[in-house]
Amino acid sequence: EAGVTQFPSHSVIEKGQTVTLRCDPISGHDNLYWYRRVMGKEIKFLLHFVKESKQDESGMPNNRFLAERTGGTYSTLKVQPAELEDSGVYFCASSHRGGANTGELFFGEGSRLTVL
Amino acid sequence: GNSVTQMEGPVTLSEEAFLTINCTYTATGYPSLFWYVQYPGEGLQLLLKATKADDKGSNKGFEATYRKETTSFHLEKGSVQVSDSAVYFCALSRAGGTSYGKLTFGQGTILTVHP
Repeated sequence: EAGVTQFPSHSVIEKGQTVTLRCDPISGHDNLYWYRRVMGKEIKFLLHFVKESKQDESGMPNNRFLAERTGGTYSTLKVQPAELEDSGVYFCASSHRGGANTGELFFGEGSRLTVL
Repeated sequence: GNSVTQMEGPVTLSEEAFLTINCTYTATGYPSLFWYVQYPGEGLQLLLKATKADDKGSNKGFEATYRKETTSFHLEKGSVQVSDSAVYFCALSRAGGTSYGKLTFGQGTILTVHP
């Protein structure tokens, strides 16, 4: 079974540009999460999809971030325009409904974003 | 709000040494507690968990006990190996309701084990 895959693994862009990160969850997992780790600090929750619906987006930092999950399969996280403080590692995680109740998430390797 | 505090790293040990990584938490109610591990070049993976007070989670020789009276979930291993070198994250979750999978993480502890 393929794990959670994220693309790109590393992106370097200039301030003001746009970047789109993609996450392919484990097949059959309804729950999809985005997390972010900035500058060696804690990994912080961004948002949660159940299938194609946003269940909780309380962690999204501002309206420069847009997450979508069309068709309830893969998800994208777009940052537009990117700012220096957006640099960090963006993690995607997924779980099936039962696993979601216990907090057991399956994480991707992360997408490292560097904004210059 | 919820928070998790881990001991500052990095931690460097010799093979077969005893490991303790401290973790304390602040949360309302009765959270579930987790240790996740990230090996080099891989994503985070669940190491162990405990869902109620006095539960002990264990896996791969690692153990942690949910101590409600001290709000702690310290990670221990009696004899570490080089292959245990990784970043360890303590986390909590408020299970149920709309909080499914919404984890609050500690800052992570880098462990390096030398032969």
